Amino acid sequence: ETGVTQSPTHLIKTRGQQVTLRCSSQSGHNTVSWYQQALGQGPQFIFQYYREEENGRGNFPPRFSGLQFPNYSSELNVNALELDDSALYLCASSPGLGSGRGYTQYFGPGTRLTVL
Amino acid sequence: AQKVTQAQTEISVVEKEDVTLDCVYETRDTTYYLFWYKQPPSGELVFLIRRNSFDEQNEISGRYSWNFQKSTSSFNFTITASQVVDSAVYFCALSEATGRRALTFGSGTRLQVQP
Repeated sequence: ETGVTQSPTHLIKTRGQQVTLRCSSQSGHNTVSWYQQALGQGPQFIFQYYREEENGRGNFPPRFSGLQFPNYSSELNVNALELDDSALYLCASSPGLGSGRGYTQYFGPGTRLTVL
Repeated sequence: AQKVTQAQTEISVVEKEDVTLDCVYETRDTTYYLFWYKQPPSGELVFLIRRNSFDEQNEISGRYSWNFQKSTSSFNFTITASQVVDSAVYFCALSEATGRRALTFGSGTRLQVQP
């Protein structure tokens, strides 16, 4: 069984640019959540996708957007990058949100984004 | 609003010592889930345990044990006979039992196990 994968591993961008991060969910999982983890802090919830629809959002501005595809993989897009966007971005998938089994989120290795 | 507090920022122990990581949470929900995750230097969050708010039984898994006390809103994690491989940052997290079930994390406790 393949776990959650993310690409790229590392990324360096400059302020004002746009970035797209990708995530493949674990086999059988239909829900994907994205988290931002700044250095030395706990992860912060960005948003969640379930069956290709956004299913909740944390306290992040609209320049953070996402997509989920029919195969349940997902993208996180960040426009107009700011220096404070530098962080580890973690993707997590969970099984069967609609079936009552979707309580545990399994995380990928993350994408470390540096904004200069 | 939900909140998780891990008051211990960093703990250093010598191998084979027992160590307890504290977690205190706040929520208005009557039904919720609590989690512990381990984050080694590689960065990936590794799931350790999930406990629902109705189940206050303590749990033991090998050298790991968890003490959930609803009366004090605490969910503490003990590692018995610590090993160098236990060195990591440990996060306690809380989620709703319905809806999006987003995780609210504490700020983490960095555990260093010295040989």
